[in-house]
Amino acid sequence: ELKVEQNPLFLSMQEGKNYTIYCNYSTTSDRLYWYRQDPGKSLESLFVLLSNGAVKQEGRLMASLDTKARLSTLHITAAVHDLSATYFCAVDNNTNAGKSTFGDGTTLTVKP
Amino acid sequence: DAGVIQSPRHEVTEMGQEVTLRCKPISGHNSLFWYRQTMMRGLELLIYFNNNVPIDDSGMPEDRFSAKMPNASFSTLKIQPSEPRDSAVYFCASSPTGETQYFGPGTRLLVL
Repeated sequence: ELKVEQNPLFLSMQEGKNYTIYCNYSTTSDRLYWYRQDPGKSLESLFVLLSNGAVKQEGRLMASLDTKARLSTLHITAAVHDLSATYFCAVDNNTNAGKSTFGDGTTLTVKP
Repeated sequence: DAGVIQSPRHEVTEMGQEVTLRCKPISGHNSLFWYRQTMMRGLELLIYFNNNVPIDDSGMPEDRFSAKMPNASFSTLKIQPSEPRDSAVYFCASSPTGETQYFGPGTRLLVL
């Protein structure tokens, strides 16, 4: 059974600081996704990572994938308040095409 | 594209009543997912369909829950009879198989 573990689950950081969220998964997978959820809202896609060494960046967020270590990171650079949200990673199950297993989410609070 | 459409957006009902949640996926997407989100249990996959066929319903909590997808543009999730512990936000998501999921706005269900 595919397990996806995120850490930390809660993160409070000051504006302007850098930090990294980690996503570990237990079995081989070809695809990993990062989603963002604002309080009281739905989930929206941030990144899709398809291969070992893949790196995607948008604004102050950068995601990377190491399939050999079964690890993805979401790096936050010079955080701003607008980044406060819950971030989920999700990993496709190679043996059950189309089904993603989600992590528990990391709730990020950026303080002035 | 209008995105994934869910109705109703809010539902308040009394214990024992039947509840039907509706979802219209994005046209052309052949995978559809139903999730439930609560503070206690996080985001849970209830069931997913591929080409209108239920592929994995292992997340459906019990026989009170049922889901159908009679055609490519419509799905329902029914709870009968409803119980207070069913109170949650229910999300529908769709995707091309094995790709990023697009989430609907969710239905906030409160069972009194």
